[in-house]
Amino acid sequence: DIQMTQSPSTLSASVGDRVTITCRASQSISSWLAWYQQKPGKAPKLLIYKASSLESGVPSRFSGSGSGTEFTLTISSLQPDDFATYYCQQYNSYSSAFGQGTKVEIK
Amino acid sequence: QVQLVESGGGVVQPGGSLRLSCAASGFTFSSYGMHWVRQAPGKGLEWVAFIRYDGSNKYYADSVKGRFTISRDNSKNTLYLQMNSLRAEDTAVYYCAKDHDDYGDYDAPLDYWGQGTLVTVSS
Repeated sequence: DIQMTQSPSTLSASVGDRVTITCRASQSISSWLAWYQQKPGKAPKLLIYKASSLESGVPSRFSGSGSGTEFTLTISSLQPDDFATYYCQQYNSYSSAFGQGTKVEIK
Repeated sequence: QVQLVESGGGVVQPGGSLRLSCAASGFTFSSYGMHWVRQAPGKGLEWVAFIRYDGSNKYYADSVKGRFTISRDNSKNTLYLQMNSLRAEDTAVYYCAKDHDDYGDYDAPLDYWGQGTLVTVSS
């Protein structure tokens, strides 16, 4: 099975900062990668799919890049509403998998 | 608007069984693959199972294979998860989620999620 590893596990940042989260796959998944945002007590929300496609209604400060085994999620200017936990997910194989999550905290 | 409403969670003893349901509305349920994803208390997301739009293909995480069964009733717009031989480590909030793309197999992200239902396995 394909394993997904995110880094860092926790990230402390300030409003207005540029933030980058990395996700690595244990084998190539082409561009079959999604990013989700989850706030406490809530269901995850799809932000990015196919590595770099922005889901409808998601602010343009969110962007994704990468292919193969290495991917990044970038928030160009962190807003108060963005403090949350972010997960990557591969959907290249029939056994899908999520990364362990990256919590973005207020510095 | 798309709505997914899970039900059926509760407290069950180790070795017991439970069936979760997910009632779908606001989209053509019979055209979309569906997933179950769980989240143990304070932990990350774990993909559990997927069923193709027509029920012809089903896939499971190794951790639940042979114990859980995903199914759907397209006439009732409802997704199910039958959970048998439950263990303490199955304790989690269980979410149902919809495929982003219609008529796909496993190759799509999850664009709508329910609010989740809590399953607690404890004696």
